[in-house]
Amino acid sequence: GENVEQHPSTLSVQEGDSAVIKCTYSDSASNYFPWYKQELGKRPQLIIDIRSNVGEKKDQRIAVTLNKTAKHFSLHITETQPEDSAVYFCAASRRGGSYIPTFGRGTSLIVHP
Amino acid sequence: SAVISQKPSRDICQRGTSLTIQCQVDSQVTMMFWYRQQPGQSLTLIATANQGSEATYESGFVIDKFPISRPNLTFSTLTVSNMSPEDSSIYLCSVAGGGPSIEQFFGPGTRLTVL
Repeated sequence: GENVEQHPSTLSVQEGDSAVIKCTYSDSASNYFPWYKQELGKRPQLIIDIRSNVGEKKDQRIAVTLNKTAKHFSLHITETQPEDSAVYFCAASRRGGSYIPTFGRGTSLIVHP
Repeated sequence: SAVISQKPSRDICQRGTSLTIQCQVDSQVTMMFWYRQQPGQSLTLIATANQGSEATYESGFVIDKFPISRPNLTFSTLTVSNMSPEDSSIYLCSVAGGGPSIEQFFGPGTRLTVL
């Protein structure tokens, strides 16, 4: 089955800095890679996703890159703000197949004012 | 995005009892899932709720402990049976495949404490 590794487990940055979270996956058939943000005591919220036919996707301060050859994808947050502090989860799944997504273990991002 | 509600939002239960958690979606969805999330941990898939048939359980989870129903495309229940303190966790309903959307959305969760 799919295996998703996520690093780092904790990331501490100063406000205004950039943050990068990296994930690797094992199943070359995976073709959909969402990222979720989970604030303390709340549900995971989809913040951005990317499909395997795209190498990069950007939404304001958030971007995701995908390297299919190396089987890794990354979340980039620029100009971080304290409200970006949360746990971020990556996931990999196979659209059109059995679907079931596999989640990474999460990264706790702390943005210091 | 789909609007998902869960009941109850939290509960405190005695060991040996059972609790049924309900998940309601405001639109028809293809797939419904149940997850467990321990404090500070990732999301662990319990099972996929299949409409009109038995749920598909992940390794380590069994129907006798976590019976699941899905009578239609907008509703599902998860029962945590014969509870022990180790079952204390947040249980999340999740859906995917609503209309043209392929995204997966999560319910607000049910915080369960077993004494």
